[in-house]
Amino acid sequence: DTGVSQDPRHKITKRGQNVTFRCDPISEHNRLYWYRQTLGQGPEFLTYFQNEAQLEKSRLLSDRFSAERPKGSFSTLEIQRTEQGDSAMYLCASSSPSGMVQTQYFGPGTRLLVL
Amino acid sequence: AQSVTQLGSHVSVSEGALVLLRCNYSSSVPPYLFWYVQYPNQGLQLLLKYTSAATLVKGINGFEAEFKKSETSFHLTKPSAHMSDAAEYFCAVHNTNAGKSTFGDGTTLTVKP
Repeated sequence: DTGVSQDPRHKITKRGQNVTFRCDPISEHNRLYWYRQTLGQGPEFLTYFQNEAQLEKSRLLSDRFSAERPKGSFSTLEIQRTEQGDSAMYLCASSSPSGMVQTQYFGPGTRLLVL
Repeated sequence: AQSVTQLGSHVSVSEGALVLLRCNYSSSVPPYLFWYVQYPNQGLQLLLKYTSAATLVKGINGFEAEFKKSETSFHLTKPSAHMSDAAEYFCAVHNTNAGKSTFGDGTTLTVKP
């Protein structure tokens, strides 16, 4: 069990550019979640997958945001035409199928700065 | 709808003193509640969780929390603070149907020598 990994850990981009983040969950975890965390606040839910199916999306996820999990393993989160307001920490978490309440295990996050 | 309120964005205690971090929740269904800790530039680490079994939940690093339905609270405590406990703490309520957790805004714990 190597934990949830995220890549890159840091990203600086200019406004208007597209960025893509990757999340590798703990192996055999069927659920994968994306959250966004801005300074001084708790994580805010963006979306989650069960296997390859995207089951829930937050209203925070505007048309410029898209997430995929094509083979039910790793996931990508893409932000198109970035804006300064997108600057935040993007957290990924995964959980296993066992048990009624699935504990989410978080990755280290990707910190995005849009200039 | 679910929500979490963490009372006190900053808490400061002396080393060896009691730690008390407050969390109140709102949930339309029986809640599943979590406390996480976050160190600078890192992800969230699970401290403990309440899943409708025992109301007093013990977690890692000497932390525990008590679920009080009548008060809609899930406060986090530790009898004796260590310097290494300095971090940000988040309370969260989980919605199993929607598959998401709703987090409070966090409490920054400072431990003074």
